[in-house]
Amino acid sequence: EAGVAQSPRYKIIEKRQSVAFWCNPISGHATLYWYQQILGQGPKLLIQFQNNGVVDDSQLPKDRFSAERLKGVDSTLKIQPAKLEDSAVYLCASSPPGVPYEQYFGPGTRLTVT
Amino acid sequence: GQSLEQPSEVTAVEGAIVQINCTYQTSGFYGLSWYQQHDGGAPTFLSYNGLDGLEETGRFSSFLSRSDSYGYLLLQELQMKDSASYFCAVSGGGFKTIFGAGTRLFVKA
Repeated sequence: EAGVAQSPRYKIIEKRQSVAFWCNPISGHATLYWYQQILGQGPKLLIQFQNNGVVDDSQLPKDRFSAERLKGVDSTLKIQPAKLEDSAVYLCASSPPGVPYEQYFGPGTRLTVT
Repeated sequence: GQSLEQPSEVTAVEGAIVQINCTYQTSGFYGLSWYQQHDGGAPTFLSYNGLDGLEETGRFSSFLSRSDSYGYLLLQELQMKDSASYFCAVSGGGFKTIFGAGTRLFVKA
């Protein structure tokens, strides 16, 4: 069974530029999560999708971050414009139906904003 | 609000047993999960406790006490490869998952 796929793995941009991350969850997983993990901290939930609907985006900085999950499968997370404090690893995860506490994570995208 | 507390670091010797504690405050609590993350890697799911008591999976066990808002992860027969960060995570209202800050486990030879 293929795992959660993410791209790119690494990205370096200058502040005020824009960037987009892509995620393809495990087949059959209806729930998809985007997390931000700053070095030395635990993952922080940015947005949670159930199929193509948003379940929770309370911690998403909506003035600069956006995410979509068209067709209820893969998803993109965008930052525009980026700030220095956005430097982090962006993790995508998915979970099987009815099992939200068992999440499978992709390898992440390490973003550096200079 | 919601919060989780776990020790920032734990050091143990190879072959020993180590316990990583987690206390939480949350509304609409459903259960407590544990994840392992090696440096540069992604978190991987270890265990889940939805009910009070002990869950055992090989060398790893996890415990939950809802009345005490407390749980722990127990690692037995420690191996060098167990050196990693361990996160507790609560599933709350709307099945929203909140992760703790993580405990770095150092296993010494």
